[in-house]
Amino acid sequence: DAGVIQSPRHEVTEMGQEVTLRCKPISGHDYLFWYRQTMMRGLELLIYFNNNVPIDDSGMPEDRFSAKMPNASFSTLKIQPSEPRDSAVYFCASSFRVQGNQPQHFGDGTRLSIL
Amino acid sequence: KQEVTQIPAALSVPEGENLVLNCSFTDSAIYNLQWFRQDPGKGLTSLLLIQSSQREQTSGRLNASLDKSSGRSTLYIAASQPGDSATYLCAVLTAGGTSYGKLTFGQGTILTVHP
Repeated sequence: DAGVIQSPRHEVTEMGQEVTLRCKPISGHDYLFWYRQTMMRGLELLIYFNNNVPIDDSGMPEDRFSAKMPNASFSTLKIQPSEPRDSAVYFCASSFRVQGNQPQHFGDGTRLSIL
Repeated sequence: KQEVTQIPAALSVPEGENLVLNCSFTDSAIYNLQWFRQDPGKGLTSLLLIQSSQREQTSGRLNASLDKSSGRSTLYIAASQPGDSATYLCAVLTAGGTSYGKLTFGQGTILTVHP
């Protein structure tokens, strides 16, 4: 069974440009999570969805960040306009449900560099 | 708000040594605790998941324990090998409060096992 698939794996772009990160969760998983990892702050949850509906976006740093989940098999995280401090590794994860025996499965991440 | 702390931040040991990584968390209302491994430039690999009702889990040379009441977990690695060198992350899935449903990560322990 395929795992969580993220694209692109690497993205380098100039400040001010729009960036779109993509994620395909594991089929059948009801929950999807977006995380950001930096050296200074470690791994932080940005937003999570349940059945395509955003449940908690309190981790989204600014209005420049937005996330959508138009269907059960696809989600996007968009940054517009991008800034150098957005440079980080962005991970997508999915799980069957939020409860004791259900692990979150992570994608390989998108390494984003804003010049 | 859930907070997770890992000690030590870095550990260097000779091959063959047994070692313990520590994790503590502030809110004991959790669904589970997961230990992950992250290799440089890579995603997260789930090693062990301990449900809140469990005391420990074992996989091969790895053993993880959980003391929910005191907010502590340990990851024990037996007979360490150079291939165990990686960053080990502890994460808790919170069951209540403002962190409900969120996986909160520690800053990680960087492990180096030298031949």
